[in-house]
Amino acid sequence: GAVVSQHPSRVICKSGTSVKIECRSLDFQATTMFWYRQFPKQSLMLMATSNEGSKATYEQGVEKDKFLINHASLTLSTLTVTSAHPEDSSFYICSAPRLGASGFTDTQYFGPGTRLTVL
Amino acid sequence: GQQLNQSPQSMFIQEGEDVSMNCTSSSIFNTWLWYKQDPGEGPVLLIALYKAGELTSNGRLTAQFGITRKDSFLNISASIPSDVGIYFCAGQVFGNEKLTFGTGTRLTIIP
Repeated sequence: GAVVSQHPSRVICKSGTSVKIECRSLDFQATTMFWYRQFPKQSLMLMATSNEGSKATYEQGVEKDKFLINHASLTLSTLTVTSAHPEDSSFYICSAPRLGASGFTDTQYFGPGTRLTVL
Repeated sequence: GQQLNQSPQSMFIQEGEDVSMNCTSSSIFNTWLWYKQDPGEGPVLLIALYKAGELTSNGRLTAQFGITRKDSFLNISASIPSDVGIYFCAGQVFGNEKLTFGTGTRLTIIP
């Protein structure tokens, strides 16, 4: 079964509004989560790393004031797209690495994605 | 950001055929992961590889971690309709949880 959930699965909003997307790890704790954006027929592009208890780190070219990330607990990270515009329409996917018995990352699980459409 | 080179970009095959795809990098990775993504969904992990030279199977899927640590291969035997989708490789460096993704291979089964 799914180990990472995302909500909502799809959202349509008007230009200028803000949209919040939630990412939850369901049966493990994740001090780090990742947010990706995927445009049609393209690969996943990492936007930012969400860190529990500290600020997110953003990849080059990603506006931190536009894509607000909050890692509220060990199982929840949120991405808020502020003042959304049509060019922000995309498929947003989160992931969470799960630690193995060795204490190092076992593997990384992805959420089902959120389709954002900005009118 | 960096992307891994994945080939072929797309494949059109008949049901029952075997499929091979590969992923290459200019730098070394310590972990290779293979994911499948269906339309409108997130990637689903297929196989994880942790050791150079490792060969791992998951049902009809077999993946190998290249000896140079700069490449990985995925084979699908006796393809079936539900194999249709986009396959992504991803590499990870030890101590860094970030994944670097491949460009993807789109698999289509011709009726």
